[in-house]
This record gives sequence, C-alpha cells and structure tokens, in this order.
Amino acid sequence: EVQLVESGGGLVKPGGSLRLSCAASGFAFTYYVMNWVRQAPGKGLEWVSSISTTSSYIYYADSVKGRFTISRNNAKKSLYLQMNNLRAEDTAVYYCARSDSGDYFWGQGTMVTVSS
Amino acid sequence: QTVVTQEPSFSVSPGGTVTLTCGLNSDSVSADYYPSWYQQTPGQAPRTLIYSTNTRSSGVPDRFSGSILGNKAALTITGAQAHDESDYYCLLYMGNGIWVFGGGTKLTVL
Repeated sequence: EVQLVESGGGLVKPGGSLRLSCAASGFAFTYYVMNWVRQAPGKGLEWVSSISTTSSYIYYADSVKGRFTISRNNAKKSLYLQMNNLRAEDTAVYYCARSDSGDYFWGQGTMVTVSS
Repeated sequence: QTVVTQEPSFSVSPGGTVTLTCGLNSDSVSADYYPSWYQQTPGQAPRTLIYSTNTRSSGVPDRFSGSILGNKAALTITGAQAHDESDYYCLLYMGNGIWVFGGGTKLTVL
C-alpha cells in the first residue's frame, strides 16, 4: 500500500524554525518527483516546493523562497522541508505529495501553527 | 502576477451534469499547462481526479472527465451524486518548475 506520512508539525513562534519530514512506503520513492503543498485554515491549496528524483532540480513558490529548503534522502525514502524565519501566514496544514505529471498522491498532512 | 481562476461556488442537482472551469488571468489554458483537478472534502487530504488535461487518476470513475473548453481547462461531472459535494481545485504548470493552484470551487449537490 502506498503511504506518505508527514511529521514534525507543531506550534512555533514567529521567526522560529521547524523541520517537516515525510516517510514514504509502498512505492519506488527514488523514481518520483516529490512536493510540499500547504493549506491555510479555511483557505485553498498552495503549491510550496518540488524536488526532482536526484535532487538536481528544486523549485519554490515565491512566498517561501529564501526561507524554506526542500530535500530528500532516497536511501531513507524520506522527504524534508526545513522552514526558517517562519511567519504567521505560514500557518497551514502541510501535505507531502508524490507527483507524476500532475497525478498527485497525497499524505494526510501535518499542522504548522506560527503564533506568539 | 499569475492568477488561476475558478468559480468560487457552483451547484448541481442530483443526477445532473456540471462543468467547472480553470482559467488564467494572463493567457489561455492549453494542454501545455498540464491542467490537473483535485477533490477535497472537509478535514480530508485532497484526491487527484484528472491530470494532464484529461487522464483520470487510478480508481476515479468515468463520471469525471477533463478537457479544454475554449480558453480554459474544464472538469465535467456527469450524474452528480450527493458525495460529489466537495471543494474542487485545479492546478496548472507555469513552466520553470512552478505550479499554481486555483482558488477552488465549492460544489453543492442539491
């Protein structure tokens, strides 16, 4: 069974940092582009970042560029999102998703709350 | 700034057909944008319905279909059912590795 399980969410103060993880199982992780997508409370989906299979290509939404860093460890079948200098507007559920030309398989998400 | 547009809300009668659209403020949507569609019910993770304009994701019933209509991507639901009541999001590829979601359409079945 294909599974993506996010972890690492929680409450953090503005300006703080948090590292999200996503553990993959049930598929050949190495062969898939991986992504982070977030959803603020009561709002729509926002694509955050993507990383290619060998980490050669990495992309970010303008809203997080320079503050967030995506990475992966294919040997551990894991995806990460290092989030620095967090702002209130980063409060959201963060979804890990594997993709194949837009065919996304989604995890269940982890909540990040940025508040003092 | 690129804005992906969707109808904020739509309603359909049970058994009816509805077409949701996905446009761009600055261009016509074509297959080159790899339009995809996702369904989300409250408190749940999204689910992929359609990708690459008109390819159904695994397990998606053929009541759901994707196309390009005029200058927009479209998601058509035929034989609407009560459990189709959800939020629907489109996603477009902007090039250079960047993807942008539309604001979503809240579909009511009544």
